[in-house]
Amino acid sequence: QSALTQPASVSGSPGQSITISCTGTSSDVGGYNYVSWYQQHPGKAPKLMIYEVSNRPSGVSNRFSGSKSGNTASLTISGLQAEDEADYYCSSYTSSSTLFGGGTKLTVL
Amino acid sequence: QLQLQESGPGLVKPSETLSLTCTVSGGSISSSSYYWGWIRQPPGKGLEWIGSIYYSGSTYYNPSLKSRVTISVDTSKNQFSLKLSSVTAADTAVYYCARRWQWPSPFDYWGQGTLVTVSS
Repeated sequence: QSALTQPASVSGSPGQSITISCTGTSSDVGGYNYVSWYQQHPGKAPKLMIYEVSNRPSGVSNRFSGSKSGNTASLTISGLQAEDEADYYCSSYTSSSTLFGGGTKLTVL
Repeated sequence: QLQLQESGPGLVKPSETLSLTCTVSGGSISSSSYYWGWIRQPPGKGLEWIGSIYYSGSTYYNPSLKSRVTISVDTSKNQFSLKLSSVTAADTAVYYCARRWQWPSPFDYWGQGTLVTVSS
C-alpha cells in the first residue's frame, strides 16, 4: 500500500480560493467514499476538516469543501485567511486499512 | 469533552520494544461503535496509520507494521496501548492516539502526541 499523492505545496493570497488534490487508486480513493481531510498547524495534532468526501464536522467553516472524481479527491478552501496556513493531509480507507497522503503545505501569501 | 493523553518513555534503544499508553477521559472507551487508534509522524514528515482497536479487542493493523505491532485495550482503566517491537531509528516519531466514531470513519478526537526517539 502506497501513500496517497498530494502536491508538496500550494499557495494563495487572502480572499482567493485554492484546491489541493489527493490521488490514489481504485482500491482506495476511487473505491470508497471514505476520503477525509485533516489540517495540521505546527506542533499541533491534526484536526478533521472533511469526512466521507464532502461532509464537514460541526464547527468547521463552510469555506472548506471536498469532492471526488474517479481516483482523485480534492479539498477546496475559499476566501483564504491567514489562519488557513497549515499542512493538509488527505486520508482514505482501503481494505481494512487506512492510508494518508504525503501532506501539502499551504502558504497564505 | 473527550480527551486523549499519550504516555510512555520518550527514548527507546534500538532493537527494543516501544510501549505507549493512551488514557481516555470524558467518555467511555467501551462505548459502542467507537474505534481507537494510533498514528505516527516522523519529524518533518507525513502521517502514518499504525492500527486501530475496538473495545472488544478486535484489531486492524497497517500491513507494513503488522509483524511488529500489538494494540490492546484495558476497559477497566479506560486505556489502550501500543507496543512496537524491534525498533530502529526509522521509528522515531511523534505518536498520536485518536478516536474514530465508527469503522472506517476518520479520526475526530486526537491526543496531543508524544515524541519517541529511538537511539542508543
